[in-house]
Amino acid sequence: DTGVSQDPRHKITKRGQNVTFRCDPISEHNRLYWYRQTLGQGPEFLTYFQNEAQLEKSRLLSDRFSAERPKGSFSTLEIQRTEQGDSAMYLCASSPLDGQPQHFGDGTRLSIL
Amino acid sequence: GENVEQHPSTLSVQEGDSAVIKCTYSDSASNYFPWYKQELGKGPQLIIDIRSNVGEKKDQRIAVTLNKTAKHFSLHITETQPEDSAVYFCAALKQGYSTLTFGKGTMLLVSP
Repeated sequence: DTGVSQDPRHKITKRGQNVTFRCDPISEHNRLYWYRQTLGQGPEFLTYFQNEAQLEKSRLLSDRFSAERPKGSFSTLEIQRTEQGDSAMYLCASSPLDGQPQHFGDGTRLSIL
Repeated sequence: GENVEQHPSTLSVQEGDSAVIKCTYSDSASNYFPWYKQELGKGPQLIIDIRSNVGEKKDQRIAVTLNKTAKHFSLHITETQPEDSAVYFCAALKQGYSTLTFGKGTMLLVSP
């Protein structure tokens, strides 16, 4: 059990660029979640998957955001046409089943110049 | 939706003292309450959790209590050590849902 892995750990980009983050969950965890955390705040839910199906999306997830989990294993989160307000830590978590503890990765910190 | 309030926002204690962090939740349908510890530059780490059918749970120096009637739950850390210094988050999960609602966090500083 290597834990939830996220890549890259840091991303600096110019406003208007597209960025993509990757999350590798704990193996055999069916549920995969994306959260966003801004400075001084707790994580806020963005979206989650059960296997390859995206089951829920938060209102925070504008149409510039898209997430996939094509084979039910790793997931990607893409942000198109980045804006200053997208600067945050993007956290991925996984759990074996609904209602089971969620385990987080160390996140990808996104900075928009 | 669910709303979780957490207090205090900062807490300073001397090594060896106890620390208590309190959270309240709004939705009586919430039934799972985890606590996470987040160190600088790292993701939240689950340290203890409690379900609504239990009033108290303990793991070594850490304990969590739940009062369903009052809709609040608390984290208790005894014999604090400098390595306990971190930001602690409480969260709530509503029955039938899959997404955690977090409090705003408590920065705990344990001075040697």
